[in-house]
Amino acid sequence: QKEVEQNSGPLSVPEGAIASLNCTYSDRGSQSFFWYRQYSGKSPELIMSIYSNGDKEDGRFTAQLNKASQYVSLLIRDSQPSDSATYLCAGPNTGFQKLVFGTGTRLLVSP
Amino acid sequence: DVKVTQSSRYLVKRTGEKVFLECVQDMDHENMFWYRQDPGLGLRLIYFSYDVKMKEKGDIPEGYSVSREKKERFSLILESASTNQTSMYLCASSLLFNSNQPQHFGDGTRLSIL
Repeated sequence: QKEVEQNSGPLSVPEGAIASLNCTYSDRGSQSFFWYRQYSGKSPELIMSIYSNGDKEDGRFTAQLNKASQYVSLLIRDSQPSDSATYLCAGPNTGFQKLVFGTGTRLLVSP
Repeated sequence: DVKVTQSSRYLVKRTGEKVFLECVQDMDHENMFWYRQDPGLGLRLIYFSYDVKMKEKGDIPEGYSVSREKKERFSLILESASTNQTSMYLCASSLLFNSNQPQHFGDGTRLSIL
C-alpha cells in the first residue's frame, strides 16, 4: 500500500507570508499528485493537480513535484486569513484505481 | 464544473436502523467512492465502484454495503447502524477507471447514530 505522509501542523504564518506545505510518498512509480483544501466542517475541494516533475503555478498557488526525492509541496504566496484550512495531498495507487490521501496539514494564517 | 450531490447534509438515526446515503454525479464519471472522515483519522475509503453493478471494498468495508444500479448514482447502506458509525460521510467521483484523474467530492453527510 502506497503511503502519503504529511505533517499535521498546525503551520502558522502571518498574513502576506509564503506558506509551504509538504508531502512525502513511498511509491516511486507515482506520476501525479493532487492538492485539496478542506475548510472546517466542509468537504475537500480540489485546488491543484500536478502531473510531471517540476513546478506548476496557478495564481497564488504553486505545486512542486520532485520525483527523485519523493516529495510534493504546495506554496501559497501572499497568504490570507481565508487560506486557513486543512490541506490534503493525494496520489493514485498502483493501477490508478483510487487515490491515497495524506492526513492533512492544518494551516493558520493570522491577520 | 463537476457536481456531486449528496442527499442529506445532516442525518440522525437510531441504533439498529438501516440507513441509506445517496450520491449522484452529473458528469458521466465512471468511478464513484464512499469515504468516512473522523477527527485524527483522515479520509478512509469504504467502497468504490468503477462501473454499474461493480463494487470494490476499500479499507473499512465492514458494516457497510453499496449499490450502483445507474452510472450516476452510488448508494451507501448501513445495514444495522451502530454508534461507532457516527461520522462525516463523503462521496466522490472521478472520470475514468485506471486513469490519472482527481476525485471530486460532494458536500458530505454528517451522520449521527443515537
